[in-house]
Amino acid sequence: DTGVSQDPRHKITKRGQNVTFRCDPISEHNRLYWYRQTLGQGPEFLTYFQNEAQLEKSRLLSDRFSAERPKGSFSTLEIQRTEQGDSAMYLCASSLRGGNNEQFFGPGTRLTVL
Amino acid sequence: AQTVTQSQPEMSVQEAETVTLSCTYDTSESDYYLFWYKQPPSRQMILVIRQEAYKQQNATENRFSVNFQKAAKSFSLKISDSQLGDAAMYFCAYRSAWANQAGTALIFGKGTTLSVSS
Repeated sequence: DTGVSQDPRHKITKRGQNVTFRCDPISEHNRLYWYRQTLGQGPEFLTYFQNEAQLEKSRLLSDRFSAERPKGSFSTLEIQRTEQGDSAMYLCASSLRGGNNEQFFGPGTRLTVL
Repeated sequence: AQTVTQSQPEMSVQEAETVTLSCTYDTSESDYYLFWYKQPPSRQMILVIRQEAYKQQNATENRFSVNFQKAAKSFSLKISDSQLGDAAMYFCAYRSAWANQAGTALIFGKGTTLSVSS
């Protein structure tokens, strides 16, 4: 399977704990995006990378969130001191550079904060 | 800031019939892309169809077609000969054509849940 993969698919944690998600993009894609989707809503942009450079962060990305993409390959999204409001589906997408290029989405990581 | 509005939270259609999902957007840009994405239950989002704003011709992909009205900022999706597998949540999305800082992010509407009955 050469699509976008995400790990884990589900994560249940207690409030205040740290969690880390991983995204493996399609291998030749140099752009990688993180989105957050809450129940009944469309995905909302969090941040994106071009190769290893993080070029944009949404206002939704509080100081408790950090994302990395070392060596321009896989990416990690860490949430520190989780809050119940962080419960959502976290989606990763990748694309080639260029405005018309399709973003391919992964299956998402569903986070539940108790 | 650009916004995307889908005013139909739920729609239903019978197999083999045609259904149209509505989408409007707001932007001050003249060059952009519009997309319809499909998200089946518990499955990942896939692209259904895309439209470049500079193209006057409406995009079509097999049973899926769009009605793009640039002046009205409207972008509806028509599904012909509906199939049970079309049941999903459909999202309309906007993306700026300019490679500025936020230009590559997709801006999504809230989605329309489509159910298909036999």
